[in-house]
Amino acid sequence: ELKVEQNPLFLSMQEGKNYTIYCNYSTTSDRLYWYRQDPGKSLESLFVLLSNGAVKQEGRLMASLDTKARLSTLHITAAVHDLSATYFCASAPLNSGYALNFGKGTSLLVTP
Amino acid sequence: DAMVIQNPRYQVTQFGKPVTLSCSQTLNHNVMYWYQQKSSQAPKLLFHYYDKDFNNEADTPDNFQSRRPNTSFCFLDIRSPGLGDAAMYLCATKRLVSDTQYFGPGTRLTVL
Repeated sequence: ELKVEQNPLFLSMQEGKNYTIYCNYSTTSDRLYWYRQDPGKSLESLFVLLSNGAVKQEGRLMASLDTKARLSTLHITAAVHDLSATYFCASAPLNSGYALNFGKGTSLLVTP
Repeated sequence: DAMVIQNPRYQVTQFGKPVTLSCSQTLNHNVMYWYQQKSSQAPKLLFHYYDKDFNNEADTPDNFQSRRPNTSFCFLDIRSPGLGDAAMYLCATKRLVSDTQYFGPGTRLTVL
């Protein structure tokens, strides 16, 4: 069974703090995706991680991939309110036509 | 410029009354996907097309059908909607050799 597990599922953090969201996946896949979703909106692509050791950064978000551990992390640095959203990680097994298998999402709330 | 367009954005139907959701893309991508996302849940893959090759997920209900008459358009038909089919339906596209899936804005379906 394909599994993508995120934790935590809910995260409330203060502005200015740092935190990491974890994503474990069970499939043999070297492609890992992070998406952001605002309430009632569609999915916005944040990062595509394609190889072991890949690290990508955009603003206050940094994502990394360890394919041996089947683990990806999304690190938030000095959080701001605008980062409040739900963050999904997804793996894309080759034998599924690269269809995305999503985790349950992490609902992030950044408070003053 | 809109790349993946979904119509309508909001659809209300009655229990058992067939409904069709549409997706079009200006990207000329080979692969198109339909996902169902229920409230506070992760998106779940229903089908995907690689060109005209149709791939149905094993647990997609028979009540859901799809058509792709050409590269640009893809339709999701729900033959007899039930209350449990109320959800956001997301269309996504991808070039086969690319890594990023582009999501449309979604159609929110309400079943009365």
